[in-house]
Amino acid sequence: EIVLTQSPGTLSLSPGERATLSCRASQTITSSFLAWYQQKPGQAPRLLIYGASSRATGIPDRFSGSGSGTDFTLTISRLEPEDFAVYYCQQYGRSPLTFGGGTKVEIK
Amino acid sequence: EVQLVQSGAEVKKPGESLKISCKGSGYTFTKYWIAWVRQMPGKGLEWMGIIYPGDSDIRYSPSFQGQVTISADKSISTAYLQWSSLKPSDTAMYYCARHDREGATLSYFDPWGQGTLVTVSS
Repeated sequence: EIVLTQSPGTLSLSPGERATLSCRASQTITSSFLAWYQQKPGQAPRLLIYGASSRATGIPDRFSGSGSGTDFTLTISRLEPEDFAVYYCQQYGRSPLTFGGGTKVEIK
Repeated sequence: EVQLVQSGAEVKKPGESLKISCKGSGYTFTKYWIAWVRQMPGKGLEWMGIIYPGDSDIRYSPSFQGQVTISADKSISTAYLQWSSLKPSDTAMYYCARHDREGATLSYFDPWGQGTLVTVSS
């Protein structure tokens, strides 16, 4: 099983600042099959990024994904008030599919 | 619009059985895998397993094999997650989600259902 480790656990930032979230895999992820999701309280997760760097439909361009192999990054260029949430990475290159533990982006 | 609509919240006692549902619409239900994901209170996401409604092929996470049963009724575009004997540790939010890529066993999830909260308490 591929273990995904997200860091930091919590990121305290102000609106307008840049957020950099990390996702590290215990093994190489095939074909960069890595996705990112956003989850707000009381809501289902929402797909942001797939294939490590492709934005899902309707996702603003302030969200970007990068990385390959075992190290991946989600960057939010300028935080908007609606971006404060929990973010999860997921690998879908090998079964069982696995998620990282999440990074909470909170208002400083 | 592609949509997954889940059944409502449930409150059960330990030892009781339960079956929750996930109805797909806006696409060909038989051509996309459906996944089930658990989220325990205040915790992260856990992949439980998937089903291909076209032929009811099922794959379970080793962590959930034998603990739950996944099924589907393609005639009504609905997938199910069921327990034969609930435990308090089954208390969680359960989401269904569709694989984005048609026919692909391995895929990211989009969209997700709204979730079904299951509470197990005596």
